[in-house]
Amino acid sequence: KNEVEQSPQNLTAQEGEFITINCSYSVGISALHWLQQHPGGGIVSLFMLSSGKKKHGRLIATINIQEKHSSLHITASHPRDSAVYICAVDNYGQNFVFGPGTRLSVLP
Amino acid sequence: DTAVSQTPKYLVTQMGNDKSIKCEQNLGHDTMYWYKQDSKKFLKIMFSYNNKELIINETVPNRFSPKSPDKAHLNLHINSLELGDSAVYFCASRRRQTNTGELFFGEGSRLTVL
Repeated sequence: KNEVEQSPQNLTAQEGEFITINCSYSVGISALHWLQQHPGGGIVSLFMLSSGKKKHGRLIATINIQEKHSSLHITASHPRDSAVYICAVDNYGQNFVFGPGTRLSVLP
Repeated sequence: DTAVSQTPKYLVTQMGNDKSIKCEQNLGHDTMYWYKQDSKKFLKIMFSYNNKELIINETVPNRFSPKSPDKAHLNLHINSLELGDSAVYFCASRRRQTNTGELFFGEGSRLTVL
């Protein structure tokens, strides 16, 4: 069993739908990161969380440290949101452990 | 200016060859990483350097050797390439002392071994 799990693995949505991607982890962490990888291959950091909630545009990320769970929400989804979303946990600066990713396709 | 740059972006080579991938960051970060991304898009740590010193060396074949000439560079040398080495290799960097520094990735280097 991976130390970081994500669900769903694949997600297809219609443009405008509200999307939720979940991440659960089994190790102690100092922070959790949400990353986005577009079909072109580059990886960018969306959020870094150690508690609570963060919002950036149509993206919202939450974390519950006690339950070892985080969610990434996308409101009013758009085809340009199509990408692989990766959850990564930060092991107190030692290393990152990555989830397997969630492949999102938003259809027009 | 690109924050983390890798070269080459694409590399096609024959089995048995030796190749290198270079990585440079201009962010002033003290920690750099090499990750391997397999065909299922799963990222795995290979090496981590902090201030030019190796701090993580996961179970990778010793055909892979990282070299950090200074804090801004972390190059990856691969000897005697094998078919299974085909993957996308990502370099990344961060500022470690905060323990929560954001991770910046290079664009990736797609290695194809024939």
